[in-house]
Amino acid sequence: SAVISQKPSRDICQRGTSLTIQCQVDSQVTMMFWYRQQPGQSLTLIATANQGSEATYESGFVIDKFPISRPNLTFSTLTVSNMSPEDSSIYLCSVEEGSANTGELFFGEGSRLTVL
Amino acid sequence: AQSVAQPEDQVNVAEGNPLTVKCTYSVSGNPYLFWYVQYPNRGLQFLLKYITGDNLVKGSYGFEAEFNKSQTSFHLKKPSALVSDSALYFCAVRDERYSSASKIIFGSGTRLSIRP
Repeated sequence: SAVISQKPSRDICQRGTSLTIQCQVDSQVTMMFWYRQQPGQSLTLIATANQGSEATYESGFVIDKFPISRPNLTFSTLTVSNMSPEDSSIYLCSVEEGSANTGELFFGEGSRLTVL
Repeated sequence: AQSVAQPEDQVNVAEGNPLTVKCTYSVSGNPYLFWYVQYPNRGLQFLLKYITGDNLVKGSYGFEAEFNKSQTSFHLKKPSALVSDSALYFCAVRDERYSSASKIIFGSGTRLSIRP
């Protein structure tokens, strides 16, 4: 399976600041996915990062708050902008592997953000 | 519409005993079903999946899951629990009509605690 590296693994941030999370995959993938896991909660998809086009955001998430870059087939960044304590979460990068249409998701280790 | 439910927030089992973590789903078409495990301060790890074929699916770390179409369930099982199995477990589903992994939805998670 793909090896997915995320940086930072954790950070403590001040209200009103922005933080960019990096995701590096050791193989080329068409789509990369960004998830949020709020404390004690399940995973919620933020957006799908497509190489060469704008990210596709899920309902409730907007580009101004969560800008995403996808400069090539192995790398993506997610920025959490103008952070508030409600943004304290684990942010997870993911890719799909396996047969087309039946593949499973593989995840990075996550980036745990605490906003004060 | 599709949904997945994990009715138990927590499951407690003595080491050496069999364990079951429950999952039920609802999809319009045929389901693709997945189980993931999350250890503390880690990302999600893929355990197993059901796409088609044999209803009993075997996965990593000695886990298996049984697909039951009539009961719309996909319970995770292990014959003999280990203390190291203590973690957060997520069931996930995608309707086969959706071609993108972005349509995989996750249950609320079940915390499994194995006591020595």
